Amino acid sequence: DQQVKQNSPSLSVQEGRISILNCDYTNSMFDYFLWYKKYPAEGPTFLISISSIKDKNEDGRFTVFLNKSAKHLSLHIVPSQPGDSAVYFCAASARDRDDKIIFGKGTRLHILP
Amino acid sequence: DSGVTQTPKHLITATGQRVTLRCSPRSGDLSVYWYQQSLDQGLQFLIQYYNGEERAKGNILERFSAQQFPDLHSELNLSSLELGDSALYFCASSVGLVAVGYTFGSGTRLTVV
Repeated sequence: DQQVKQNSPSLSVQEGRISILNCDYTNSMFDYFLWYKKYPAEGPTFLISISSIKDKNEDGRFTVFLNKSAKHLSLHIVPSQPGDSAVYFCAASARDRDDKIIFGKGTRLHILP
Repeated sequence: DSGVTQTPKHLITATGQRVTLRCSPRSGDLSVYWYQQSLDQGLQFLIQYYNGEERAKGNILERFSAQQFPDLHSELNLSSLELGDSALYFCASSVGLVAVGYTFGSGTRLTVV
């Protein structure tokens, strides 16, 4: 039962362009959403998050958009840089219920020169 | 260095054996979470401990067990190992009960042969 779905296993984007990573969720109890970034041989690192009371959160080149009615969120990276090549995990938690975070399977982003 | 320490980094063992993975959380963090990353499964939540007590359980096999000690370090014990247990095992920690974001260690790569 995949509560957090990242349907694109990989994505290639030209350097300087916008990268858009998508994520869908099924559990309406989720009220906090996060994106993590993972390089090979390292653990995931927190990138950006958004509470369900918001529909947008921005941090530098990274913006997360949340569409609660569609149970969909997306991560925009503008402009994309070579160091952005990594696996990106979408994640969600239901903070009123418990405090575990449920992760998607990840999307591998390749930034092309 | 994230502050979360996992040992060993790599482990190769035979089927049927038992291994122990160790995690030291970031200083001040009371919660420890264990995740398994298999080839196509993303990050699967296994179990969470908070201040020595089991707090939440995920898709953890009965052959697996964990504990958190008074000094807050945690151990994940995997027994009767099977080939399918080969995976990356990540530990993460957070300050409190409501996880708005974890800090991950760099993982232990377990290979069962």
